[in-house]
Amino acid sequence: QKEVEQNSGPLSVPEGAIASLNCTYSDRGSQSFFWYRQYSGKSPELIMFIYSNGDKEDGRFTAQLNKASQYVSLLIRDSQPSDSATYLCARRGNQGGKLIFGQGTELSVKP
Amino acid sequence: GAVVSQHPSRVICKSGTSVKIECRSLDFQATTMFWYRQFPKKSLMLMATSNEGSKATYEQGVEKDKFLINHASLTLSTLTVTSAHPEDSSFYICSASGGLNTEAFFGQGTRLTVV
Repeated sequence: QKEVEQNSGPLSVPEGAIASLNCTYSDRGSQSFFWYRQYSGKSPELIMFIYSNGDKEDGRFTAQLNKASQYVSLLIRDSQPSDSATYLCARRGNQGGKLIFGQGTELSVKP
Repeated sequence: GAVVSQHPSRVICKSGTSVKIECRSLDFQATTMFWYRQFPKKSLMLMATSNEGSKATYEQGVEKDKFLINHASLTLSTLTVTSAHPEDSSFYICSASGGLNTEAFFGQGTRLTVV
């Protein structure tokens, strides 16, 4: 089982819709979770960081963490074509605090 | 977000030479830095985790004598690819964090081509 799992996609949504990205992790010792956006040929850009159960909102982005279900998601409201990118989920835990990534979900927002 | 500066952004080197990549946290103290390698259309593969003042912890399968990591200060970590070969050509990215439950920010990445 991979430490961090994401659907690779591509996920296609129309402009203005809500995009929902999901991520599960296997290590219950995971303490903090990250969502990054990566455009082709560029390095990842941090979108959201969450370590408490529940929701965290920042502008059009909402991260949801459920440690009991080992699940973290990212909702993007009012999706824009510029949101088209690969979204990477990552976790850090007690084992040396390693930052481990999932394989990424490719999102395409159609005008 | 915080700024992490990585240099160089691109480097072409001859087979057998060594290349040093620098990663600096410009506006915060990075107690931990991570080094990743990424192949086209693939996710980030963690190579090693380094804590300031300590030896780096390498992931399984990563040769520590080939990929030398130094984290001598709270703002600077370096990755040296020694005796580079064409198969070392890749996109190398560093990430810096101030602590376990804090954010981790990425540098711009270094595209290494070994000819």
